[in-house]
Amino acid sequence: QKEVEQDPGPLSVPEGAIVSLNCTYSNSAFQYFMWYRQYSRKGPELLMYTYSSGNKEDGRFTAQVDKSSKYISLFIRDSQPSDSATYLCAMSGDNAGNMLTFGGGTRLMVKP
Amino acid sequence: ETGVTQTPRHLVMGMTNKKSLKCEQHLGHNAMYWYKQSAKKPLELMFVYNFKEQTENNSVPSRFSPECPNSSHLFLHLHTLQPEDSALYLCASSTPGGSYEKLFFGSGTQLSVL
Repeated sequence: QKEVEQDPGPLSVPEGAIVSLNCTYSNSAFQYFMWYRQYSRKGPELLMYTYSSGNKEDGRFTAQVDKSSKYISLFIRDSQPSDSATYLCAMSGDNAGNMLTFGGGTRLMVKP
Repeated sequence: ETGVTQTPRHLVMGMTNKKSLKCEQHLGHNAMYWYKQSAKKPLELMFVYNFKEQTENNSVPSRFSPECPNSSHLFLHLHTLQPEDSALYLCASSTPGGSYEKLFFGSGTQLSVL
């Protein structure tokens, strides 16, 4: 079993839709949870991060963490064609210097 | 532009060639990383340098040889690679010491081994 599971997609939605991207994980020591966005032919860029459980909102993006279920989500409201990219979840433990563990990424396509 | 520059962007090499990938960061960070990204697989951490000292070597074959002459530059020397080494090689940097690593990635070198 992979430490972090993420549906590879592709996920295709019409412009304006609400998008839900998810990851599950098995390591209960994970405390920091991140979402990276990767456009084609580019490196990943940090989009959102949260610590422990709860929600965090930034514009059209909301990150949710449910540690009891070992499940994290990224919601995109009013999706735009410019949101078309691969979304990678990543997480790490609470100790300084812990390396990130990445999911495999979900490819999202938002059609005009 | 993220402040992390990788060259070349694309590289095609034969199995007997020797080549090097270069990474430069202009963010004042002290930690630099090499990651491998293969199709439909999670990012694989290869090497980590903190203040020019190698702190992680994630069981990478010796045909990959990193070099970090200073905190701003990182190289990955390649020799006698295999076709399965074809992938996107990403360099990243961060400021170490926190409880999580906020990574800044370059655009990567797309490597094809023939």
